[in-house]
Order: sequence, then structure tokens, then C-alpha cells
Amino acid sequence: GEDVEQSLFLSVREGDSSVINCTYTDSSSTYLYWYKQEPGAGLQLLTYIFSNMDMKQDQRLTVLLNKKDKHLSLRIADTQTGDSAIYFCAESVTSGTYKYIFGTGTRLKVLA
Amino acid sequence: GAVVSQHPSRVICKSGTSVKIECRSLDFQATTMFWYRQFPKKSLMLMATSNEGSKATYEQGVEKDKFLINHASLTLSTLTVTSAHPEDSSFYICSAHSGRETQYFGPGTRLLVL
Repeated sequence: GEDVEQSLFLSVREGDSSVINCTYTDSSSTYLYWYKQEPGAGLQLLTYIFSNMDMKQDQRLTVLLNKKDKHLSLRIADTQTGDSAIYFCAESVTSGTYKYIFGTGTRLKVLA
Repeated sequence: GAVVSQHPSRVICKSGTSVKIECRSLDFQATTMFWYRQFPKKSLMLMATSNEGSKATYEQGVEKDKFLINHASLTLSTLTVTSAHPEDSSFYICSAHSGRETQYFGPGTRLLVL
């Protein structure tokens, strides 16, 4: 089945690290993504990882992928108030037709 | 690069009227465009997949006669909500895919049906 789960909320203090977790079920996914959505806006691509990679780092962002456990995480170092938003993970699946399956979204609140 | 626009950004209409939303890929050709619907504080729900020059593929439970999709060129797809009702009020987001690794998303259109 196609199911991507995330915890609903995360609250951190400014300057701390944030870790947002995601679990998925479709083992045929080729890429996994992290998107950021601010209120009333569309989705901004933050980063993505190919399914045969374990880790990808891009400035303050670190993505870890455990394919065996079907677990994806996004670590934001030195979290800022401007990072407050909803974060969605997504997997691209190609069984049948190509499409994304989105996670439920995690609302990150950064406290000053 | 990889910019996707949507128009309009907000629309208010009366119940029973039809509303057309445009999705354009501004600097690349999109072989496939996707239409999503997002309810408040919820995730994105894929409505349909549209390929240039062919009929859209609708997800289960999405009425194709209610949500008409046209993908006339490699840079433009339109979603028409026909005979809109208050329950159609939502945030509609499109995305465009060029066949590479990612989809690029538009800024969304907020529809309010009175």
C-alpha cells in the first residue's frame, strides 16, 4: 500500500537542531523529497535523495535514509524562526504511473 | 530556473459557476503536470495527472466531469471546476515534471465558493 507518515508537530528553540521524521511503505520509490510550505503558499523543494543513498547534506540540511526500515529524516541545524513552516516528505513511485505520495506533514514551530 | 506559475492566486465565485485555473511552466517544458487539492492543515491530495496532448488520468474518487483538465501544450495545463459548490472551496496546487528527478510546484490557487 501507499502510506507516508510523519509526526504532526515539532517545537524547538532557536539555534537548536530540528529533526523531522518520515516513514514510508512503498519500497519501489526512486527518490524521496523534503518540501517546505509556508502559510498560504505553495511547496518549496528543500532537498531530495536518491533511494540508493544513505545520506545527503546541503548546508544546514542533512537527510538520512534507512531503506531497510523505510525511514527518512530531515535535520535542520541551527534552526531559525524563518524555518517555522510545515514540512512534507514525499516519495516518487513508478508502479503503474509516476506520481508522488506525500506525507501527512509536520508543523515546525521555532521559539525565539 | 524551474518556475511554475498559477493564475489566479485567489478566486471567489458564486455557487453554480465554473472557475478555470491555469498552471504554467515558465522556463521548461513539462511533459506531465499534476493537480493537487489541499484541505486546511492537511496534506496534498493528488487529483489527476495530465500529459500533454492526451486525456488526464484521475485518481479514485475524483469526478472527471467536475474537474476538467486540459493540457494543450508543454507549458500550460488548466483545471476547470465546473458548477462549483461550497464544498469545492479549497487550495489547489499544480506541479510540473520535465521527466527529471523532481516535480516543481506552483504557488497555489485559493478557491472560495459562496
